[in-house]
Amino acid sequence: AQKVTQAQTEISVVEKEDVTLDCVYETRDTTYYLFWYKQPPSGELVFLIRRNSFDEQNEISGRYSWNFQKSTSSFNFTITASQVVDSAVYFCALSEEYRGSTLGRLYFGRGTQLTVWP
Amino acid sequence: DAGITQSPRHKVTETGTPVTLRCHQTENHRYMYWYRQDPGHGLRLIHYSYGVKDTDKGEVSDGYSVSRSKTEDFLLTLESATSSQTSVYFCAISSDRDARQPQHFGDGTRLSIL
Repeated sequence: AQKVTQAQTEISVVEKEDVTLDCVYETRDTTYYLFWYKQPPSGELVFLIRRNSFDEQNEISGRYSWNFQKSTSSFNFTITASQVVDSAVYFCALSEEYRGSTLGRLYFGRGTQLTVWP
Repeated sequence: DAGITQSPRHKVTETGTPVTLRCHQTENHRYMYWYRQDPGHGLRLIHYSYGVKDTDKGEVSDGYSVSRSKTEDFLLTLESATSSQTSVYFCAISSDRDARQPQHFGDGTRLSIL
């Protein structure tokens, strides 16, 4: 079973629209970490944010905001007033607390391709 | 940016040949990881290392081996490459095993097996 589900494979919006990327995760651990990474067309993976399971406060960074809800096992990412430069594949990832040989490994969702049109 | 260098960046080779990919870091981080990225799968862990000469398997380790003789280098070897191993390979590093610090990734190696 997928530990991280990104149901939206592709999203297209027009510049200045707001867009939300969904992420649903599955874990039995009480301590875990959630991440978002951005992969622009150039191919590198850029770390955006990390949240731990004990901190449900929403976070805002410029045009980016994240909504973490343990009750629904979701960690959604919203881009406000999208720009063409936001076009990329966005990955949500989960890391569970060290147990056995997991050693902080990341479980990735399959990614959401966001295209922002001018 | 984290000091991670992957080499080569691109490689085309034939089925049955051995291939070695190198990941070099200048951060002195203890933990290193190899992932592969395939369309529709996101990134999947191949192998990881938690110290010099300490390695373990990830979820897609069949057909791959790794070695870490120095803190800064983590090698991924395909002993006899197959077309199913055509992929983009990413190395990642982390200073903390509990993932309190995010993993940082290299720029990737695009490998094509013909």
